[in-house]
Amino acid sequence: ETGVTQSPTHLIKTRGQQVTLRCSSQSGHNTVSWYQQALGQGPQFIFQYYREEENGRGNFPPRFSGLQFPNYSSELNVNALELDDSALYLCASSLGAWQGISGDSPLHFGNGTRLTVT
Amino acid sequence: LAKTTQPISMDSYEGQEVNITCSHNNIATNDYITWYQQFPSQGPRFIIQGYKTKVTNEVASLFIPADRKSSTLSLPRVSLSDTAVYYCLVGPMDSSYKLIFGSGTRLLVRP
Repeated sequence: ETGVTQSPTHLIKTRGQQVTLRCSSQSGHNTVSWYQQALGQGPQFIFQYYREEENGRGNFPPRFSGLQFPNYSSELNVNALELDDSALYLCASSLGAWQGISGDSPLHFGNGTRLTVT
Repeated sequence: LAKTTQPISMDSYEGQEVNITCSHNNIATNDYITWYQQFPSQGPRFIIQGYKTKVTNEVASLFIPADRKSSTLSLPRVSLSDTAVYYCLVGPMDSSYKLIFGSGTRLLVRP
């Protein structure tokens, strides 16, 4: 069973630039969620994708956007980077309730991408 | 969405049992309680999930009283490798994305 993998592991960008982070879901999982984790804080939900469509979003501005591909992998795009975007970005996959299973499976997280904006 | 409250930090020693309590006074009827563990520079890892009474797996037990307004994660005989941040989350089973992570409990296990 392949776990959730994220790339790159570390990234340094300059304020105003754009960044794309990538995530491969755990095999068999059809739902991907993205989280932002600032230093010393818990993960904050950004959005979730199911069947290539966004089906839930946290309190993040539109410059945070995403994609889910037919193989359930996903991308997180952030435009016009700000210094406060520096954080660990986590991807989590799960098997959604829409498959007839009673409730989502627990979230399976990758080890994240550490983004530093200077 | 139910808000959770848990201690900011706890200290323990190797071999001891550790109990971390989480308060969730506004838990809804269809909410489940889920605990995650996170090591530095890693993503959170699912530990245990329950709805009521007691749930036990190979790593932990989860105790939930009848009113479900709190829950206790019990880690038997902790080791140094159990030093981590533990998150208590409450939310509906069919909407995992609605789970809200708080700041968690930082557990330090000493030799």
